[in-house]
Amino acid sequence: DQQVKQNSPSLSVQEGRISILNCDYTNSMFDYFLWYKKYPAEGPTFLISISSIKDKNEDGRFTVFLNKSAKHLSLHIVPSQPGDSAVYFCAAMGSNTDKLIFGTGTRLQVFP
Amino acid sequence: NAGVMQNPRHLVRRRGQEARLRCSPVKGHSHVYWYRQLPEEGLKFMVYLQKENIIDESGMPKERFSAEFPKEGPSILRIQQVVRGDSAAYFCASSPDANSPLHFGNGTRLTVT
Repeated sequence: DQQVKQNSPSLSVQEGRISILNCDYTNSMFDYFLWYKKYPAEGPTFLISISSIKDKNEDGRFTVFLNKSAKHLSLHIVPSQPGDSAVYFCAAMGSNTDKLIFGTGTRLQVFP
Repeated sequence: NAGVMQNPRHLVRRRGQEARLRCSPVKGHSHVYWYRQLPEEGLKFMVYLQKENIIDESGMPKERFSAEFPKEGPSILRIQQVVRGDSAAYFCASSPDANSPLHFGNGTRLTVT
């Protein structure tokens, strides 16, 4: 039962362009969403989050959008840089769960 | 301020042996979580502990796996009688409370031969 889904296993974007990573969830009780970035042989690092009372949160080049009615969130990276190449995990938690539920990840490659 | 420290980074065990994975959370963090990542898969929740208490172990296999977070010392994930299917990267994470983002360690990669 995959409650958090990232349907694109990989994404390739040219440097300077926008990267858009998508995430869907099924549990309507989720109210806090996070994006993590993971390099090979390292642990995930927290990138940005959004509460369900908002529909957008921005931090520098990173913006997360939340569409509660569609149970969908997305991460926008603009402009994309080669150093952004990593696996990005979407995660969610809510009032009926005490742990973060992760998606399967999207591998982003930013090429020059 | 040291982050989450996991050791060993790599652990090789033969089938039937025991594996012990250690995790020292960020100083001051009392919430510890263990996740497992199988090859080509996402992070799967295993167990959530607070000091000396298991809060949620719904992701732990019922047999052979156990976890503890004693009052003093690191959190330990113990796998008895390992099998090849236990080969994975095991990540520990900590947070100061239940509502804050998790800080992850660099993981322990367990290989069962």
